[in-house]
Amino acid sequence: EAGVAQSPRYKIIEKRQSVAFWCNPISGHATLYWYQQILGQGPKLLIQFQNNGVVDDSQLPKDRFSAERLKGVDSTLKIQPAKLEDSAVYLCASSLGLSSTGELFFGEGSRLTVL
Amino acid sequence: RKEVEQDPGPFNVPEGATVAFNCTYSNSASQSFFWYRQDCRKEPKLLMSVYSSGNEDGRFTAQLNRASQYISLLIRDSKLSDSATYLCVPNYGGSQGNLIFGKGTKLSVKP
Repeated sequence: EAGVAQSPRYKIIEKRQSVAFWCNPISGHATLYWYQQILGQGPKLLIQFQNNGVVDDSQLPKDRFSAERLKGVDSTLKIQPAKLEDSAVYLCASSLGLSSTGELFFGEGSRLTVL
Repeated sequence: RKEVEQDPGPFNVPEGATVAFNCTYSNSASQSFFWYRQDCRKEPKLLMSVYSSGNEDGRFTAQLNRASQYISLLIRDSKLSDSATYLCVPNYGGSQGNLIFGKGTKLSVKP
């Protein structure tokens, strides 16, 4: 079974530029998450989708971050404009249902460096 | 008080040793808890789930102390392949689900 696919794996940009990350969850998984993991920290939830609806985006910096999952499958996360503190690994995860079961399947992540 | 607190380590132990990590959490309403394992520069993967007082899976035992609001992970007979960061993850969201990841405890098992 294919896992969670993410691209690009690595991205280097200058501050104030924009960047977009793409995620394809495991087939049949209704819930999709975007996490930000800064070096030395645990993953921090940015946004959670249930099918194509947003369940939780309370920690998403909405002035610069946006995410969508228009058809309830793939998702994109965009940062515009990027700041130095956005340097992190952006992890996409999916689960069959809501995260109360605890089993999230993560992609390998997209590592962003902002110079 | 931080939502999830873990000793970052590193815990450096020899092969075959027994090692334990503790994790404290602030939300007394949390009903379920999880331990995730994250290898260096890799994604986190679920190691164990804890819904009652504890759980055991081979060399790994998780114990929950609700009164003191901490959960522990015990690893017996450590292997080199156990070297990783172990993330404590309480569920703060009930049936809706709201997993709060700790910063993790780094374990290094030496030959």
